[in-house]
Formats: sequence, structure tokens, C-alpha cells
Amino acid sequence: GAGVSQSPSNKVTEKGKDVELRCDPISGHTALYWYRQSLGQGLEFLIYFQGNSAPDKSGLPSDRFSAERTGGSVSTLTIQRTQQEDSAVYLCASSLGGLAPTKNIQYFGAGTRLSVL
Amino acid sequence: LAKITQPISMDSYEGQEVNITCSHNNIATNDYITWYQQFPSQGPRFIIQGYKTKVTNEVASLFIPADRKSSTLSLPRVSLSDTAVYYCLVGASKAAGNKLTFGGGTRVLVKP
Repeated sequence: GAGVSQSPSNKVTEKGKDVELRCDPISGHTALYWYRQSLGQGLEFLIYFQGNSAPDKSGLPSDRFSAERTGGSVSTLTIQRTQQEDSAVYLCASSLGGLAPTKNIQYFGAGTRLSVL
Repeated sequence: LAKITQPISMDSYEGQEVNITCSHNNIATNDYITWYQQFPSQGPRFIIQGYKTKVTNEVASLFIPADRKSSTLSLPRVSLSDTAVYYCLVGASKAAGNKLTFGGGTRVLVKP
């Protein structure tokens, strides 16, 4: 299993509840990205981790969204007090990381489909 | 900040060549262009990457003119399995603090 793994694949929650989405990147990849994809839409950047550097949080839509990456590997995206507009597919990607173009090729997981009722 | 535009959709027939153009008028000197393919219920998958002129691999070609303000992904002799959404990504390395900007995607439908 060498690919990016995301869990759960589907999550149904009630408005106001908190959810945690998990991403296991490819082993050895130092860069990790989270995106949101609403139904029929493109990719919306959320957050980027590179090694031990401070994450780029510039895409997080509100302070209800946060993410961690522990030990430079697994990442968790947390959405607090979920709203119906948070319903979307949340995609995680990883890359080798670094300056060379080929090291920035992203490998995506299958995503977590979040439905907020 | 790069603004990336792609056609929303394109129809083609099996065996034809499909060309998808991405416009990126404000591309920066160190930006490169990467294309991804996405099937329903899957994450995007890397197709090809380039900086200038022409790049070819086993599945596609990428044409980038000298001014680099656009790029064209060419899929030769498409089959039904090439029906997917294709995204253009423009940017340099996030590790260097650069932005990566995705186009809105082009939905390609290959008909028999």
C-alpha cells in the first residue's frame, strides 16, 4: 500500500458536531496538502505542511478549521461546529518536497466525503 | 497572483486527439505547469509537467509557447476511459513559499 490513504472514506455528521479527517501520506514524502472539493467544483487549497516548518494555513476558510501533522507523517484535519456548507470531499496529497519541480508532483488520496445534515 | 482559466467542458470521440488549453497570463518566471486527471470518486492523478516548449510522455504531450502565457495538454487517440476532469496547475515550489494555483478543471467526455 504505497499510496496516500485517507479515512474515513465517508463521514456523515450532524450540524454543530466536530469531525476529524485523517491522512496517511506516502512514506518519505515531507510535504502534505489538504484541499476541499465541493460537488462538481475544482480544488480549493486549505493548508500545506513541509517537514518541520510552520504550516501554510492561508487557505483555511475559518477558525473552525485546523490541521496537525504529527511526527512529520500522519495529518489530521479537524472541523469544529460543522455547518452544512462544510459538506464536500476533503482531499489530501503528499509530495517529496523540495525546490525541484518533480519533487512537487502531488499524489492524492481518494478523499473523505463529508456530509453535514 | 496567477489566474488560471480552462474550458469548462469538451466532447470528443474515440480515436480522436483532444487538446485542452489552459490560460495563465500572469505566470511567474519560476512557475511550471502540471496537469492532473481526476475520475469520479478518486483523487487527481499526475499526467505531465513542463516549463517550456514541448514535453511528451507515454500518455500525453504538453505544449508551452515561448511567452508561457498558455499551455496545451494533448491526449492522442482518446478512448472511453479518458473521460475525466483535467486540471491545470501553475506554480513553483510550495517549499520556497510560492503559490500553487489550480484551474477550474475541464470535463472531457469521450463518446463511442
